[in-house]
Amino acid sequence: DAEITQSPRHKITETGRQVTLACHQTWNHNNMFWYRQDLGHGLRLIHYSYGVHDTNKGEVSDGYSVSRSNTEDLPLTLESAASSQTSVYFCASSRGQTYNEQFFGPGTRLTVL
Amino acid sequence: SQKIEQNSEALNIQEGKTATLTCNYTNYSPAYLQWYRQDPGRGPVFLLLIRENEKEKRKERLKVTFDTTLKQSLFHITASQPADSATYLCAPNRDSNYQLIWGAGTKLIIKP
Repeated sequence: DAEITQSPRHKITETGRQVTLACHQTWNHNNMFWYRQDLGHGLRLIHYSYGVHDTNKGEVSDGYSVSRSNTEDLPLTLESAASSQTSVYFCASSRGQTYNEQFFGPGTRLTVL
Repeated sequence: SQKIEQNSEALNIQEGKTATLTCNYTNYSPAYLQWYRQDPGRGPVFLLLIRENEKEKRKERLKVTFDTTLKQSLFHITASQPADSATYLCAPNRDSNYQLIWGAGTKLIIKP
C-alpha cells in the first residue's frame, strides 16, 4: 500500500543546531507540503512543492528550507534551530493542486532546548 | 485577513446522538472546504470535500453542509459512537493560491 513516512518521529536538539526532518511518500504525488501544528493553532504551512525542483514558501517559512530532488522526498531543514520551532511537524502529499485531499504522515515531534 | 474559526471547546455528546461541529470563515469566499479527522499522536485523515456550489455532501454517517451566505460549514455525525471521538479539522482553500487554511479543530468526545 502507498504511504507517507516521516523520520525521526521524535527529536530533541539544541538551539543553533541544524536539523533535517525527512518525508518520503510512495503515492507518486507531485505535490508535497510541510506543516507545523501548535496548540491552539491550526496547521500552518511552512513550505510546499508542486514537483521536482519546485519549492514555494508558505505562511511561516522563516528559518526553514526545503529541496525537492525527486518525486518521493521533501526534507525539511531548520538552518539554526530556535526554541520557537519546538512543534509537531507534519508532511503531506496530494495528487493535484486543487480539489484534492491531502495524505499526511504520522508527524515528527521536535523539541529545541 | 482570511480567518477560520472552529469551536475551541470540546464537544461532549451521548452515544447514539447526532454531533454537529461548526466551521466559520471570514473575509473571503472559498471555492471548497475539506474536513479531516485527527486522532492523538497521528496525522489528519481526510473525510469529505464540499464545493461552493454544493449545499450538502454525505458519506455514510457523515454529512457536511456549506452555506456561502452565512460563511459557515456544518459537519454532522449521526448515530455517534465512542470510536468517533477525535479532533475534527476544517480546511477551506485559501483565496490566493488554493492552499488550505486550517482551523484549530474541535475535539469531539462521544460518551457511552
